[in-house]
Amino acid sequence: NAGVTQTPKFRVLKTGQSMTLLCAQDMNHEYMYWYRQDPGMGLRLIHYSVGEGTTAKGEVPDGYNVSRLKKQNFLLGLESAAPSQTSVYFCASSSGLAGGRTQYFGPGTRLTVL
Amino acid sequence: GQSLEQPSEVTAVEGAIVQINCTYQTSGFYGLSWYQQHDGGAPTFLSYNALDGLEETGRFSSFLSRSDSYGYLLLQELQMKDSASYFCAAHSGNTGKLIFGQGTTLQVKP
Repeated sequence: NAGVTQTPKFRVLKTGQSMTLLCAQDMNHEYMYWYRQDPGMGLRLIHYSVGEGTTAKGEVPDGYNVSRLKKQNFLLGLESAAPSQTSVYFCASSSGLAGGRTQYFGPGTRLTVL
Repeated sequence: GQSLEQPSEVTAVEGAIVQINCTYQTSGFYGLSWYQQHDGGAPTFLSYNALDGLEETGRFSSFLSRSDSYGYLLLQELQMKDSASYFCAAHSGNTGKLIFGQGTTLQVKP
C-alpha cells in the first residue's frame, strides 16, 4: 500500500516550457487535491476533485490545469511555466466520507522555473 | 477574504507543554484541522474539530471555539521529534477544501 505517490520528485523548467505532474493514490479515495507551498508559507489549494471526471478551482488556479480521468490519478498541468510557479507541489487525497476530513499527502514535487 | 493567523515560532523544552493558537476568518466554515510537517516533507494529519470543545489524541489535543473563531493545538510531554512546523487549516465546506495558516515552527530544546 503505497498511499499517495507523486512523479517526478524534482524538475527544472525554463520559462515557457510545459509539464505535467502526476499524482496517484491506491486508497480508493474520492477526493484529491493539488497544493503549492512557497518558502515559509502554508499550503495553498490550486485545484481539487471530488470524484472521477470532476474538477474545481481552489485559491490559486491561474496558470494551472487539472484532469481526473481515472479515480486513482490526478494530473496537474503547467502550459507555459513562469518563475512565479517555482514552488513545492503537494498532492493529497481523502475519503469522501466525513467530508474529506483527513487528507493524506504525497512526498511533493520540487519545481524550479528558470 | 479568508485567512488564518498563528504564531510564526514557538520554543519549548523537552517534557514541557506548548499551546499553538489559531484564529480564523473563513466563509462556509466546516471545521478546523491541524497538520504537522517535518523539514518540508509531506504534511501529516494530527487532529480535526468540527464541534466546540476538546479532542484528545495521545499527547496531542486540539480545541475549537466557533463563537470566537479560535482554536489551539496542545502538545504535552514534548519530545525532540516534535520539532516541526504545525499548520492549522480551516475546512471551507464539506469537500475537504482547506485554507491553511502560514504555520508555526516549533523548536524543542533539551
